[in-house]
Amino acid sequence: GQQLNQSPQSMFIQEGEDVSMNCTSSSIFNTWLWYKQDPGEGPVLLIALYKAGELTSNGRLTAQFGITRKDSFLNISASIPSDVGIYFCAGQPISNSGGSNYKLTFGKGTLLTVNP
Amino acid sequence: DTGVSQDPRHKITKRGQNVTFRCDPISEHNRLYWYRQTLGQGPEFLTYFQNEAQLEKSRLLSDRFSAERPKGSFSTLEIQRTEQGDSAMYLCASSPIYGYTFGSGTRLTVV
Repeated sequence: GQQLNQSPQSMFIQEGEDVSMNCTSSSIFNTWLWYKQDPGEGPVLLIALYKAGELTSNGRLTAQFGITRKDSFLNISASIPSDVGIYFCAGQPISNSGGSNYKLTFGKGTLLTVNP
Repeated sequence: DTGVSQDPRHKITKRGQNVTFRCDPISEHNRLYWYRQTLGQGPEFLTYFQNEAQLEKSRLLSDRFSAERPKGSFSTLEIQRTEQGDSAMYLCASSPIYGYTFGSGTRLTVV
């Protein structure tokens, strides 16, 4: 089956620093999504990417859909304590008919800790 | 409230008992999904409904699991004869076409 490799597994940074995390896939995705999950809660959508090469920002967050459609990265600038949490990438693969498959495949997450 | 609602938030059950979880999706979303998340992992797809039709079930969904979505509104996920390996967070999500919204999940602990 499809696998997403998300790295790094965890990060410990100082408040104010920038953060970068990425995901790579063994196959092509039609859509890349980035989620944040707080303890005991469901994932919350941060950024959605629908086109290869697309670069999208949401406040201090920036994400890009790789040209090869097999990778994506998420950057967080000027981190603050409330950025703490687990960040997941997720991809929607292309179905056999060429349209977007509805299922999401998730990475294993990046645990971000921000030291005030 | 326009979010996805799940009930209960937490459930502790003895091995062998049956449990049922409920999900109320965003009202205008016709697609509903169930995922399972174990510690240290990302969510894994279980099953998918478009309106009331269950269109796909993952191989993770053994015969002890059943999901329904009567009338295309809320959905229930039942686990029969629970096992310790069923302990996980069960997440429901809904969407129009793109852009899932997840609920807060039901944390199941089988003792």
